[in-house]
Amino acid sequence: QSVLTQPPSASGTPGQRVTISCSGSNSNIGSNSVTWYYQLPGTAPKLLLYNNNQRPSGVPDRFSGSKSGTSASLAISGLQSEDEADYYCTAWDDSLNGYVFGTGTKVTVL
Amino acid sequence: EVQLVESGGGLVQPGRSLRLSCTASGFTFGDYVMNWFRQAPGKGLEWVGFIRSKASGGTTDYAASVKGRFTISRADSKSIAYLQMNSLKIEDTAVYYCTRDHGQYYAMDVWGQGTTVTVSS
Repeated sequence: QSVLTQPPSASGTPGQRVTISCSGSNSNIGSNSVTWYYQLPGTAPKLLLYNNNQRPSGVPDRFSGSKSGTSASLAISGLQSEDEADYYCTAWDDSLNGYVFGTGTKVTVL
Repeated sequence: EVQLVESGGGLVQPGRSLRLSCTASGFTFGDYVMNWFRQAPGKGLEWVGFIRSKASGGTTDYAASVKGRFTISRADSKSIAYLQMNSLKIEDTAVYYCTRDHGQYYAMDVWGQGTTVTVSS
C-alpha cells in the first residue's frame, strides 16, 4: 500500500503541458525533499528530479517540480512521445524510517 | 561508465533463501550508501533497505516488510553489495534493483537493470 497519492494516469497531446500531483503527510513530504523517477516499460527507473525541483544532468528543462506543504507536483511541458512512461514520487518518511513511494502515474501521449 | 549490475535472482520455494549481488563499476564504491528496492509484477516501487558507507559506520536499515528476514552487506574491496533474503514469502516475488545513493536529498542517481526473484512452490 503506497503512502503517497498520485493519479493513476495523465495524458496530453504532443506539445501540451501535463502535471502530476503527489500528496503525502507531515512525516514525509512535509519534512523532507521530494524525488521523482520515471520508468519506461521493461526498464529500470531513472532519476528525473531531486530536492523537489533539481534536474540531474541530461534531464531536459521541460521537466520541472515544485513542493508546497505536504504536496508536490511534476510538470512536463512541451510533451513528447518519448515522455510516455510511469512516473513515481518518493520521499523519506521520518515516522516509518524509510522511503515511501507514490502509486505511480502512467503518462500517455495521445 | 558508472554501472550497477545485479545477479542471483531466480525461482525459489517459499521459506528458502537466496542471495543477490550488486556489482558496481565506474565509481569509488566504498564512498556511497547503497540501497535495494523492489517492484512486484505490475506494481509500484518499494524500498527494501540500505547500507551506509564504512565511513558512516556501515550500518543498515530495512523496511518493516523485510526486517528480520533480509540482510544487506557490502564488500568494498570487490565493489559488491549483497542482499541476503531468508524465509522468503510469495509476496517477495519482484524485480530487485540496487541503487547508488546520490549522497544528498534522498535520491538514487544510479540504478541497476534489476534481477527477478520468483517465490513459488
